[in-house]
Amino acid sequence: AQSVTQLDSHVSVSEGTPVLLRCNYSSSYSPSLFWYVQHPNKGLQLLLKYTSAATLVKGINGFEAEFKKSETSFHLTKPSAHMSDAAEYFCVVSDPRGYNKLIFGAGTRLAVHP
Amino acid sequence: GAGVSQSPSNKVTEKGKDVELRCDPISGHTALYWYRQSLGQGLEFLIYFQGNSAPDKSGLPSDRFSAERTGGSVSTLTIQRTQQEDSAVYLCASSPTTGGTGELFFGEGSRLTVL
Repeated sequence: AQSVTQLDSHVSVSEGTPVLLRCNYSSSYSPSLFWYVQHPNKGLQLLLKYTSAATLVKGINGFEAEFKKSETSFHLTKPSAHMSDAAEYFCVVSDPRGYNKLIFGAGTRLAVHP
Repeated sequence: GAGVSQSPSNKVTEKGKDVELRCDPISGHTALYWYRQSLGQGLEFLIYFQGNSAPDKSGLPSDRFSAERTGGSVSTLTIQRTQQEDSAVYLCASSPTTGGTGELFFGEGSRLTVL
């Protein structure tokens, strides 16, 4: 079975400061991992994905995530937050052997203050 | 349009009524998925279509829920005898392949409110 745990339901940062959104996963095999973002009243958008290539994955809008097998983590980071980053972020796991049945974490709501 | 289109965007209904939610995927995408997003439950997988077949409908919460896809394109999610706990945002997504790439293209959802 697969699951993801997002360790923070809410994160608040000031504009220009670093962002860290934490995610731990559980999987009985080497998973595919993703971060999706959902802006208010918008559809979900893929931010970045890890599929067993490089462990440091770069995504859109300056976000990146590092796959750490020893820690079963896939934390999302950004060096400098922008007001437009305010959104809900979902850590997601799927079985790369199968179809795209995505298992979502509970989400982390990121607030960015001026 | 180029994206996944869902209708209606908002639906308010009375308990016990039937509702139909429509999804128009990106042209050429063979795989189609329905998810439900509700407070307290997060995002839940409902059903997956490959073409017009549904190899995995394990997430449908009860036999009041059904879905079909025709012509390898448009899909309809039907909820019969709606209950208040069915209130949620129903999200449709499509992808060009069924491989586990994880990149699904989501619509903006249909918000269902059952009074």
